[in-house]
Parts: sequence; structure tokens; C-alpha cells
Amino acid sequence: EAQVTQNPRYLITVTGKKLTVTCSQNMNHEYMSWYRQDPGLGLRQIYYSMNVEVTDKGDVPEGYKVSRKEKRNFPLILESPSPNQTSLYFCASSLSAGDGPYEQYFGPGTRLTVT
Amino acid sequence: AQTVTQSQPEMSVQEAETVTLSCTYDTSESDYYLFWYKQPPSRQMILVIRQEAYKQQNATENRFSVNFQKAAKSFSLKISDSQLGDAAMYFCAYSYAGKSTFGDGTTLTVKP
Repeated sequence: EAQVTQNPRYLITVTGKKLTVTCSQNMNHEYMSWYRQDPGLGLRQIYYSMNVEVTDKGDVPEGYKVSRKEKRNFPLILESPSPNQTSLYFCASSLSAGDGPYEQYFGPGTRLTVT
Repeated sequence: AQTVTQSQPEMSVQEAETVTLSCTYDTSESDYYLFWYKQPPSRQMILVIRQEAYKQQNATENRFSVNFQKAAKSFSLKISDSQLGDAAMYFCAYSYAGKSTFGDGTTLTVKP
């Protein structure tokens, strides 16, 4: 089954404790992206990757890191989480970006709470 | 930076009626892509319809169609014959060269 998976689905952590949210897709997609969703604010793009070893900042990259060493994986790293990073996080992938209106396939979301 | 504005935080429609959700955006680019996504209470994001900016013809997917006005930078979604299953949050999205910008969403309620 074609899908985007995220782990963990729910996470409660404390301020300053490094964490990683994994994202994996099995569709051989070139493009992957991370978003956060906060009430009343829609989805805001954190980072995106057009291909392996190619990443770029979205609109809200502060406090986050990403890497794209393999085509299928695109982990999101919070080196020192803070309460304002409490949010619902979505990973997404698509066949490509920029050369066609390719649908983004979204993961189920990760609910992160930082206390 | 690109912006996407959905001016209707909430909308409601009677079952079987038609409703239009508004979306405007701001960009200096000429070739870009626009999307409408649906997010039901399950939180799963589902593509509803997509539009390429260089195509003048409005996209249509069954009961869903768009009114794309490039000069006005407007991209509204029309849902015909509304069904209870259409109740969800709807997001308008703009995409160019990998960067995606979403609107704040419109919550659609469908009344039986």
C-alpha cells in the first residue's frame, strides 16, 4: 500500500530534550516536506526536499533541522524543543515539485506536546 | 513571500445544495500550481482538486470545480450537490518550486 508513515504518532516531551520524528514514504517520490498545523493557522511549511541531499527552508524553519540521506526518509529533528513547538506535524511527499501539479501525499500526523 | 487568504473561516450548506469557498493569493510568479485539500475530523489531508496556472480552463472533478481567475489571483472552490461527507476543513494551497503555502482553512458544515 502506497503511504507516508510517521513515528511517533503522539509524543509528550520536556523542554530541551532532543527528539526526532521520522517520516518514510514507499512511493519513490523525489519531493518531501514537513508542515506544522496550529489552530486557526492552517499548515505552515517547515522544510522541504526536492531530492536526496537537497533541502531548503520553508516559512517556519527556526528550531528545526532535517536531512535527506535516502530517498524514502526525511526525519525532522528538534535539537532543543520549546513549548512554542507544541503542534501537529505532517510529513508529505509527491512525485516531484515545480514541474507539475503533483498531489502531495500526507502522513497521518504527529501530535507533539512540549512541556 | 507568497500569501494565501481564505476569507471565510466557516461556511454552511444544506445537503444537496451548492456552496462556494473563496481563496485569493499573492504571487509575482506566472507559472505555479493551486490546490484544494480537504481535512476531515480524522486529520488526514485529501486532495480535492488541482489547477495549473498556465491553463485557462477551470479544473473539474465530479461535484467539485474551481473558478480560477489568474489576473485577480482568485481560486474559488464550488461544491455541487453537497453531501454529508463533504463536511470538513478545506485548505487552499499555492505551490511554486517546492515551496507550498496554505490558507488558514474554511470549516464547512453540511446540514441534513
